[in-house]
Amino acid sequence: EAQVTQNPRYLITVTGKKLTVTCSQNMNHEYMSWYRQDPGLGLRQIYYSMNVEVTDKGDVPEGYKVSRKEKRNFPLILESPSPNQTSLYFCASSSTSGGVDTQYFGPGTRLTVL
Amino acid sequence: AQKVTQAQTEISVVEKEDVTLDCVYETRDTTYYLFWYKQPPSGELVFLIRRNSFDEQNEISGRYSWNFQKSTSSFNFTITASQVVDSAVYFCALIGNNRKLIWGLGTSLAVNP
Repeated sequence: EAQVTQNPRYLITVTGKKLTVTCSQNMNHEYMSWYRQDPGLGLRQIYYSMNVEVTDKGDVPEGYKVSRKEKRNFPLILESPSPNQTSLYFCASSSTSGGVDTQYFGPGTRLTVL
Repeated sequence: AQKVTQAQTEISVVEKEDVTLDCVYETRDTTYYLFWYKQPPSGELVFLIRRNSFDEQNEISGRYSWNFQKSTSSFNFTITASQVVDSAVYFCALIGNNRKLIWGLGTSLAVNP
């Protein structure tokens, strides 16, 4: 089944404890992206990747890191999480490197930082 | 600047009613793509439709239909004979030459039995 997977689905952590949210897609998509969703602010892009080893900042990159060592994986790293990073996170992938094709989303990761 | 406006924050209907969700967009690009996504209470984002700026044909998929009008910069979504399972937040989105997906803030639809 074609899908985008994220792990973990739910995570409660404490301020400053490094964490990684994994994202994997099995559709051989070139484009991948991370978004966060917050009430009243909608979906905002954190980082995106046009292809392997190519990443770029989105609208709200502060406090996050990403890497794209393999085409299928695009992990999101929070080196020192803070409470304002409590949010619902989505990973997405798209078949074109320009990202204009339909983006398919993972199930979401609900992160709480205490 | 590009922008997507979903003026209806919340809509509540009774089952079997028809409901239209409005989406108005702003862009100076001549080539762009419009999307609708559904986010049910379980939280995932489900793709519904993609339409490019050169295709103004309306689309129907079962109880769902979409009306794209470039003259009014609108891409409205209608659910016919709504069902409780249609209860969700619906997002309209736009992508243009800058390859950046611009989202509306969503319309929360409650379909009551």
